[in-house]
Amino acid sequence: GEDVEQSLFLSVREGDSSVINCTYTDSSSTYLYWYKQEPGAGLQLLTYIFSNMDMKQDQRLTVLLNKKDKHLSLRIADTQTGDSAIYFCAESTSGGSYIPTFGRGTSLIVHP
Amino acid sequence: SQTIHQWPATLVQPVGSPLSLECTVEGTSNPNLYWYRQAAGRGLQLLFYSVGIGQISSEVPQNLSASRPQDRQFILSSKKLLLSDSGFYLCAWTKWGGAGNYGYTFGSGTRLTVV
Repeated sequence: GEDVEQSLFLSVREGDSSVINCTYTDSSSTYLYWYKQEPGAGLQLLTYIFSNMDMKQDQRLTVLLNKKDKHLSLRIADTQTGDSAIYFCAESTSGGSYIPTFGRGTSLIVHP
Repeated sequence: SQTIHQWPATLVQPVGSPLSLECTVEGTSNPNLYWYRQAAGRGLQLLFYSVGIGQISSEVPQNLSASRPQDRQFILSSKKLLLSDSGFYLCAWTKWGGAGNYGYTFGSGTRLTVV
């Protein structure tokens, strides 16, 4: 079945860039998402990218998609302590069962 | 604009008691609805999803059930809670249409502790 993998932890210094990586196995994935979860809260959609795109930028966030390698990354520029959270990568397929597949989440820790 | 409401936010229930968690969506029609459980290990486990009124698909056989009595209402239930039912329960919705999909929107979650 489909699988989404991401590293569990990332630690960065405030002001540096953070890069969170994700790999997926379903070659028919049409939509790829990044979610942020703060402690005790639900998941918040940060951004999404269609599979026919290579890159998407939204303020401090840059998403890169390498469809050939099935690799997705989220870059956060000028990382702040408020960016500390768990970041989930997810994918879904158009015309499928409408069920998204989530990674286990990467815990981003930002040090002052 | 669309909103999703999930309640209660926290719940402490004794073993063997019933459970009812409710989720409602506003500002859209015929959404796909989902119930997830997030254990302490962080991963999201899909419990149920629904593509229409009265249509429920179960992903994991367990002590829980779901119902969709109205288009924008999704209920998670149990007749007798087990200790292992403790966790963080999340409801989500999305829509698929001609323009594709723009993400899954989550509720704020219910922290259930079974004692």
